[in-house]
Amino acid sequence: DQQVKQNSPSLSVQEGRISILNCDYTNSMFDYFLWYKKYPAEGPTFLISISSIKDKNEDGRFTVFLNKSAKHLSLHIVPSQPGDSAVYFCAASAPRVTDKLIFGTGTRLQVFP
Amino acid sequence: DAGVIQSPRHEVTEMGQEVTLRCKPISGHDSLFWYRQTMMRGLELLIYFNNNVPIDDSGMPEDRFSAKMPNASFSTLKIQPSEPRDSAVYFCASRPTGGTLNQPQHFGDGTRLSIL
Repeated sequence: DQQVKQNSPSLSVQEGRISILNCDYTNSMFDYFLWYKKYPAEGPTFLISISSIKDKNEDGRFTVFLNKSAKHLSLHIVPSQPGDSAVYFCAASAPRVTDKLIFGTGTRLQVFP
Repeated sequence: DAGVIQSPRHEVTEMGQEVTLRCKPISGHDSLFWYRQTMMRGLELLIYFNNNVPIDDSGMPEDRFSAKMPNASFSTLKIQPSEPRDSAVYFCASRPTGGTLNQPQHFGDGTRLSIL
């Protein structure tokens, strides 16, 4: 039973345009969400997070949106750059209960010139 | 600042052999996590420690897997005996638990394990 789902295994976007990566979750106990970026042969790198008390968090070119009623979050990258090409993982947790992170299966983003 | 350090980066061994993976967390981080990444199951948590104490090992696949954290700066994940289906990339991560409730985990670069 997959509690965190990333239904798009891959996404291809032109440089300069917006990349939108989506993530759905099923467990209503989750109240902290993170996005990680992963390059080949490296570990996941923390990118941005959002707490359930917010519906938006922005950090430079990266913005995460949270829709609690739909149990959906998305990561927007504007403008997309070739260096953003990587696998992006969505993760969710219930930090008041456990330190566990539940990861989605990832979306491979390719940004082409 | 040094990040999470894992060793070895690659391990190739024959079925039945004992495998030991090592992790040094970021100094000052008191939670440590072991993950396994496979094509079939993605990134899954095996076990995590708080202050060197195992808190949740529900993700450990079977008795062939064991993990220890003898001190705040070192942890091992051991597989004995190893099997071909254990082939995967194993990641270690750490995070501080003090301060604010929400702190991201920081990952090492992983150990790519191949069991022949």
